[in-house]
Amino acid sequence: AQSVAQPEDQVNVAEGNPLTVKCTYSVSGNPYLFWYVQYPNRGLQFLLKYITGDNLVKGSYGFEAEFNKSQTSFHLKKPSALVSDSALYFCAGGGNQFYFGTGTSLTVIP
Amino acid sequence: DTAVSQTPKYLVTQMGNDKSIKCEQNLGHDTMYWYKQDSKKFLKIMFSYNNKELIINETVPNRFSPKSPDKAHLNLHINSLELGDSAVYFCASARATNEKLFFGSGTQLSVL
Repeated sequence: AQSVAQPEDQVNVAEGNPLTVKCTYSVSGNPYLFWYVQYPNRGLQFLLKYITGDNLVKGSYGFEAEFNKSQTSFHLKKPSALVSDSALYFCAGGGNQFYFGTGTSLTVIP
Repeated sequence: DTAVSQTPKYLVTQMGNDKSIKCEQNLGHDTMYWYKQDSKKFLKIMFSYNNKELIINETVPNRFSPKSPDKAHLNLHINSLELGDSAVYFCASARATNEKLFFGSGTQLSVL
């Protein structure tokens, strides 16, 4: 079965420091991978997606993600975290249906 | 204009009642979805429609019945509500499969 996994329920990072939110995937064939962000009491918002091509994908709000085929990972990164980045982040795999990871709560500490 | 809109935003009801949640998208998308987000924030797909036709029906009780009168609308009707149905339900749409999803703001359902 195709799936994505987010091994960390919670990530804390100091404002201004780089952040990483981890995701690994188990997908047959070429993966379609996405990152979404959810702010409190809101729906999910698209950040970025990987289909094929460059392994470094740039997205909204200064986020980027690195696709690593050998490690089957698609980690979300940002060079300098902002307090306003605090939210719930979901990795997702595409196909006929989207299957989401369990989410990682990111807290950026002022 | 809101791209994907769902109503109502909050729904509080008694066990055993029947309720509906409406969803409309004005993006011209062909594919629409219903997701359930539980209290632990886990997201689970319930249904997927493409051009008004059901594509995916996950292991959802048959008390849940989606209806798509046209490709801009995907409503969710729930019969005989149970306590375990309490969750946030999200509607989403996409131009096609493997395209990014646009989510509504969610309907928080509380069954008492």
